[in-house]
Amino acid sequence: DAGVIQSPRHEVTEMGQEVTLRCKPISGHDYLFWYRQTMMRGLELLIYFNNNVPIDDSGMPEDRFSAKMPNASFSTLKIQPSEPRDSAVYFCASSPDRNTGELFFGEGSRLTVL
Amino acid sequence: SQQGEEDPQALSIQEGENATMNCSYKTSINNLQWYRQNSGRGLVHLILIRSNEREKHSGRLRVTLDTSKKSSSLLITASRAADTASYFCATDARQVKTSYDKVIFGPGTSLSVIP
Repeated sequence: DAGVIQSPRHEVTEMGQEVTLRCKPISGHDYLFWYRQTMMRGLELLIYFNNNVPIDDSGMPEDRFSAKMPNASFSTLKIQPSEPRDSAVYFCASSPDRNTGELFFGEGSRLTVL
Repeated sequence: SQQGEEDPQALSIQEGENATMNCSYKTSINNLQWYRQNSGRGLVHLILIRSNEREKHSGRLRVTLDTSKKSSSLLITASRAADTASYFCATDARQVKTSYDKVIFGPGTSLSVIP
């Protein structure tokens, strides 16, 4: 299995631009998570899905952030408009079963907003 | 606020020595997990210990859990230079505010193993 695949690995954009981050979870995993990692705040859970349905989005920082999961093999995290404080590494993770708890992480998307 | 807090924030040891990292948390948990992150990479799951377990082993890793003290420790024995990484504890717990289960990560311990 290829693992969780994220794209792009690096994104540099200017303030005000729209950013879309993409994630392909491991096939057969029912749960998908989006995390954000910064030096100041560490790893923060933004949102997670179960069977393509958003379950808890209480970690999404603002209305500028939105996440979708149109099917079991694809999810997007969109920031519109982007701001410099959104600069971070965004991780997608998937899990086969919440009872087991183990999360499988992608390599992350490093976002820099100038 | 973060559920888990690791201690120490940074640890530097010689190859061959043991490394111990601690994690404290605030609320009741379903399980506690430890992850490793190499620089510039994603997190990799190391070990999971359930709330009704007290100790677990995996290779050179030993994890303990004390639910009465709300704390866990990760011991890496006979450390190697390749163990240099950041280590995170993550607690899986029901959130009071939302009633959803969430896996929340601590700030991590940065381990340097000097050859």
